[in-house]
Amino acid sequence: DAGVTQSPTHLIKTRGQQVTLRCSPKSGHDTVSWYQQALGQGPQFIFQYYEEEERQRGNFPDRFSGHQFPNYSSELNVNALLLGDSALYLCASSTSTGVGYTFGSGTRLTVV
Amino acid sequence: AQSVAQPEDQVNVAEGNPLTVKCTYSVSGNPYLFWYVQYPNRGLQFLLKYITGDNLVKGSYGFEAEFNKSQTSFHLKKPSALVSDSALYFCAVRDLRGGSYIPTFGRGTSLIVHP
Repeated sequence: DAGVTQSPTHLIKTRGQQVTLRCSPKSGHDTVSWYQQALGQGPQFIFQYYEEEERQRGNFPDRFSGHQFPNYSSELNVNALLLGDSALYLCASSTSTGVGYTFGSGTRLTVV
Repeated sequence: AQSVAQPEDQVNVAEGNPLTVKCTYSVSGNPYLFWYVQYPNRGLQFLLKYITGDNLVKGSYGFEAEFNKSQTSFHLKKPSALVSDSALYFCAVRDLRGGSYIPTFGRGTSLIVHP
């Protein structure tokens, strides 16, 4: 049974560019949440998707956007990258009841 | 909003000794609490959760946690630490925001187990 799969594992982008990160949830899960984890900090909630809609959003600017597809997979898009966007981006999947969350290994984004 | 706090940035323990990583929570209603572990440059791995029932929860890799309602705590414990337990540990609570369940994390505690 595959867990949560994230791609790519690492990438380097230049300031001002745009990036797309991808996540495939664990089988049986229909809800995807995205987190940003800066070095030395805990994961910060970006947004959550359920039934192809953004259900809840954390304190992140509109440069951060997402999408969920009918197969429950999800994308995180970040526009106009800033140096401060450098972080580990984590995807977590769950059922809508939220009694268990499975995390992917993350995408390490470096903005130079 | 629900929240958790991890009062220690770092915990040091000798191999073979018992370890405790502290977490306190602030919730309205009954809390759903979780512990996760993170190894360098990796995602979070689930250790255990408390939803209801027995206050002592057993999880993966020999870890357990004790839910204490009167002290609003959910400390992670292990009777005998291993060097391989050295990692970042995160406490989390299931928060309800606008009808959606969102796991909210503490800032993490770095556990260092010395040989």
